[in-house]
Amino acid sequence: GQNIDQPTEMTATEGAIVQINCTYQTSGFNGLFWYQQHAGEAPTFLSYNVLDGLEEKGRFSSFLSRSKGYSYLLLKELQMKDSASYLCAVMDSNYQLIWGAGTKLIIKP
Amino acid sequence: DAEITQSPRHKITETGRQVTLACHQTWNHNNMFWYRQDLGHGLRLIHYSYGVQDTNKGEVSDGYSVSRSNTEDLPLTLESAASSQTSVYFCASSESAGGYNEQFFGPGTRLTVL
Repeated sequence: GQNIDQPTEMTATEGAIVQINCTYQTSGFNGLFWYQQHAGEAPTFLSYNVLDGLEEKGRFSSFLSRSKGYSYLLLKELQMKDSASYLCAVMDSNYQLIWGAGTKLIIKP
Repeated sequence: DAEITQSPRHKITETGRQVTLACHQTWNHNNMFWYRQDLGHGLRLIHYSYGVQDTNKGEVSDGYSVSRSNTEDLPLTLESAASSQTSVYFCASSESAGGYNEQFFGPGTRLTVL
């Protein structure tokens, strides 16, 4: 079966750095996406990785290791507005997105 | 600005009733998707379409149907609503199927089946 695992909840302090991990087992791989979802709102796109390595976009970076079936999202200089759920999704061999259940990130002052 | 809208935003219905959720996008995207989101689960794909007159079943399609008569709209119909279909429903669209093609999501419809 296809599976995406990520922690259910994480807590971090404003101004700090947090790393949200995602491991996956899917039928094929055509890229990994990270989305942000604030409570009661729609998911919005953050990043895409298809090759191994780190992609940096401002305060957010995403890393991929295809051989390990592993990715992480790194958030730096945390702000209160970063309190949200972070969804990991893998595009499988049929170009369908398989979604993790999401990691709820709580930022404390 | 291009957008994707859903209506209604909230709906309460009774078991056994037919319900249709609307999704309209002005991105001119070929691909449209319907997901449901429940606590403890990731987004689960219900149906999707890669163009006009094209529809496909997703992971959790039982009890749902869609039709695609134009590029902009993909209505989702619950043929006979069940309490297990209480959920938040998201519509999404993307330009094409593969690779780096982010999906843009509508605001969601919260459906309660009593």
